[in-house]
Amino acid sequence: KAGVTQTPRYLIKTRGQQVTLSCSPISGHRSVSWYQQTPGQGLQFLFEYFSETQRNKGNFPGRFSGRQFSNSRSEMNVSTLELGDSALYLCASSLGTSGRGEQFFGPGTRLTVL
Amino acid sequence: QQQVKQSPQSLIVQKGGISIINCAYENTAFDYFPWYQQFPGKGPALLIAIRPDVSEKKEGRFTISFNKSAKQFSLHIMDSQPGDSATYFCAASMYSNYQLIWGAGTKLIIKP
Repeated sequence: KAGVTQTPRYLIKTRGQQVTLSCSPISGHRSVSWYQQTPGQGLQFLFEYFSETQRNKGNFPGRFSGRQFSNSRSEMNVSTLELGDSALYLCASSLGTSGRGEQFFGPGTRLTVL
Repeated sequence: QQQVKQSPQSLIVQKGGISIINCAYENTAFDYFPWYQQFPGKGPALLIAIRPDVSEKKEGRFTISFNKSAKQFSLHIMDSQPGDSATYFCAASMYSNYQLIWGAGTKLIIKP
């Protein structure tokens, strides 16, 4: 069974640009969660999608948005990039609700904002 | 009240020793407590999880101890090995809210 895949793996952008990250969950998984990971802040929850509906949202500004498609694939978009958005963005999929069972993480997308 | 406080931030243990990482929570509605392990360059992976109806769960060299009255749970790694060097995250969730609340992480280094 293929694991969670994230594309691209590395991305370099400049301030003010926007970026779209993609996540393909494990086949059959309906929940996709997104996290931002930085050395100083640990894992910060961005949002969770379940069957194309956003179910939970973390404390991030509206510049961070996401969506989930009917095949459970998910995208995350960050507009008007800031230097502080440089981080590893992790996607995790789970069979049911993300907080109640095992989450399977992808390798992440390393975003660098210059 | 939604926080999970994890300590220590970093830990160095000699090979063969016992590694202990602690987590504390306030919200008594939490009823699912997983631990995740993350190696450099990889995403976290579930290591072991516990529900509050048991006080201890063991899987190989890894044990979760759960103290409901103290609202604390901890991860014990027996006979720690260099391959256990990783960052460990505790987390918690409750039935009424699907969101997993994460601890800040502990960077564990096992010295050979």
